[in-house]
Amino acid sequence: AQSVTQPDIHITVSEGASLELRCNYSYGATPYLFWYVQSPGQGLQLLLKYFSGDTLVQGIKGFEAEFKRSQSSFNLRKPSVHWSDAAEYFCAVGAGGAQKLVFGQGTRLTINP
Amino acid sequence: KAGVTQTPRYLIKTRGQQVTLSCSPISGHRSVSWYQQTPGQGLQFLFEYFSETQRNKGNFPGRFSGRQFSNSRSEMNVSTLELGDSALYLCASGVAEAWEQYFGPGTRLTVT
Repeated sequence: AQSVTQPDIHITVSEGASLELRCNYSYGATPYLFWYVQSPGQGLQLLLKYFSGDTLVQGIKGFEAEFKRSQSSFNLRKPSVHWSDAAEYFCAVGAGGAQKLVFGQGTRLTINP
Repeated sequence: KAGVTQTPRYLIKTRGQQVTLSCSPISGHRSVSWYQQTPGQGLQFLFEYFSETQRNKGNFPGRFSGRQFSNSRSEMNVSTLELGDSALYLCASGVAEAWEQYFGPGTRLTVT
């Protein structure tokens, strides 16, 4: 069965510092991979996606992610975080057809001023 | 374009009651998916509808059901509510097989 693991439940970084959120997936075929962000009391917003092609994908808000098939990973990065990036981040894999997403447990990001 | 809208935003029900939640997708989107979000289980897929047909279903009991109307609006129903059904229910819409899903703000259901 498809699964997604986000090893870090909570990460704290200082404003202006770089960020990397980890995501590992388990899926037999070529996966469709996504990162979403959720602010408190809000729905999910799509940051970026990977379907095929270039393994480094750019998203909104200055985020990027790199697909590494050999490591079954899709880590999210940002070179310099802003206080407004504080939120919960979810990695997801599209699996089983018909728009079914399997999500990781999420990583809560706290920004220190 | 207007985003995905969900009504109501907050709901309090009593055990044993039933509840209906509504989702209006982005104009032109014909796929609507539903997810349940809880602190313990995280985000779990409930079901997906396309052109009024359920195409995929998650691992939830039969108390959870849904439907989609000809205008792509969707409803989900939970019968015989249990305390464990307390959750944020998220609806997402998309364009056919595009896989990009756009989420609404969710309905917060509290079962007492």
